[in-house]
Amino acid sequence: GAVVSQHPSRVICKSGTSVKIECRSLDFQATTMFWYRQFPKQSLMLMATSNEGSKATYEQGVEKDKFLINHASLTLSTLTVTSAHPEDSSFYICSAREGQETQYFGPGTRLLVL
Amino acid sequence: GQSLEQPSEVTAVEGAIVQINCTYQTSGFYGLSWYQQHDGGAPTFLSYNALDGLEETGRFSSFLSRSDSYGYLLLQELQMKDSASYFCAVRDEAAGNKLTFGGGTRVLVKP
Repeated sequence: GAVVSQHPSRVICKSGTSVKIECRSLDFQATTMFWYRQFPKQSLMLMATSNEGSKATYEQGVEKDKFLINHASLTLSTLTVTSAHPEDSSFYICSAREGQETQYFGPGTRLLVL
Repeated sequence: GQSLEQPSEVTAVEGAIVQINCTYQTSGFYGLSWYQQHDGGAPTFLSYNALDGLEETGRFSSFLSRSDSYGYLLLQELQMKDSASYFCAVRDEAAGNKLTFGGGTRVLVKP
């Protein structure tokens, strides 16, 4: 299957700082990228959908000013958690899709805010 | 909106067969996918059904009945490494073909 990378895999930061997570599609052009959040023993919750060159579409209840998404190219999307707080600690997973093909997931980023 | 129901947990022994059922409600069904997720890892794609019937990939098979809004994932010849969470996910045309996930089924394989 297609490969999606994510960086960093793990990050620990102090409350109030901002954290940027990168998501790259390595062997295909990701016309659409998705960002999910997963709390322990729960399912994946979609945060936002982004199409290359367009503004991201956020799911209900997700603060767009807190979770900044940029999909600048067909192979890169970034999620910036601004002014992170302990309740933002979670497993963040990006996913990418070329056209209407299968959606593939990155390895995830575990964020711990102290 | 969309909703998916699947059992929360299943326990079985090595070599056994496990069937994980998934029922869904969507506005514009496009397809049913299955993903496997090991603890601490990211979901990995297992299968996708857009049409009725059975899709077989090695020890894993997936079935879909669009008229019943129902599908299942069949795990055969269970191995210890199959212990993981399994998620069904629906692609909904009415929701821009986004994937909506079920709550996940935790499969525990015992020796």
